[in-house]
Amino acid sequence: NAGVTQTPKFQVLKTGQSMTLQCAQDMNHEYMSWYRQDPGMGLRLIHYSVGAGITDQGEVPNGYNVSRSTTEDFPLRLLSAAPSQTSVYFCASSYFGDTEAFFGQGTRLTVV
Amino acid sequence: SQQGEEDPQALSIQEGENATMNCSYKTSINNLQWYRQNSGRGLVHLILIRSNEREKHSGRLRVTLDTSKKSSSLLITASRAADTASYFCATLGNNAGNMLTFGGGTRLMVKP
Repeated sequence: NAGVTQTPKFQVLKTGQSMTLQCAQDMNHEYMSWYRQDPGMGLRLIHYSVGAGITDQGEVPNGYNVSRSTTEDFPLRLLSAAPSQTSVYFCASSYFGDTEAFFGQGTRLTVV
Repeated sequence: SQQGEEDPQALSIQEGENATMNCSYKTSINNLQWYRQNSGRGLVHLILIRSNEREKHSGRLRVTLDTSKKSSSLLITASRAADTASYFCATLGNNAGNMLTFGGGTRLMVKP
């Protein structure tokens, strides 16, 4: 099993550009989520999904969109990148909401 | 806003010593989890303790939970240089659809 796979690992964007961060899991987990991690801080929840076709906002959703058309994939879209979105992004999945979460290796995004 | 806050923010010890990290949180929880993050990597789940449990062990790890004080501690015994990492506590609330909320982490350095 590959677990949770994120692509790309690194990305540089210009202000105003859009892009999609990919996340895929092969563990048949229902729950998937996106977090961002800024220096010296913990992870903050952006969006999450409790199953295919269901998404909801987390703590810091502005500027991001998600969709969940399949159980395996949960892409995160940046609509119009801003320097404040420079961060490391982590995707996570879990079988149920109250079980351990598995994390991808992260995407380091720089917006210039 | 962060639910959990770790203390201390940074800890430096010698190999063989024990390391204790504390986590405080604000609202009632379903469970509390501890994760480790090596530099530049994703988070790895260490241990999960449910709200009706007081103590759990896993190898050299011991976690306690005091729901009356809304606090938890992670003890790593006989530390090794390989334990050098950031450690995060994460709480899961009781409401349906709640997702993990992370603290700011403790950076542990174990000197050989």
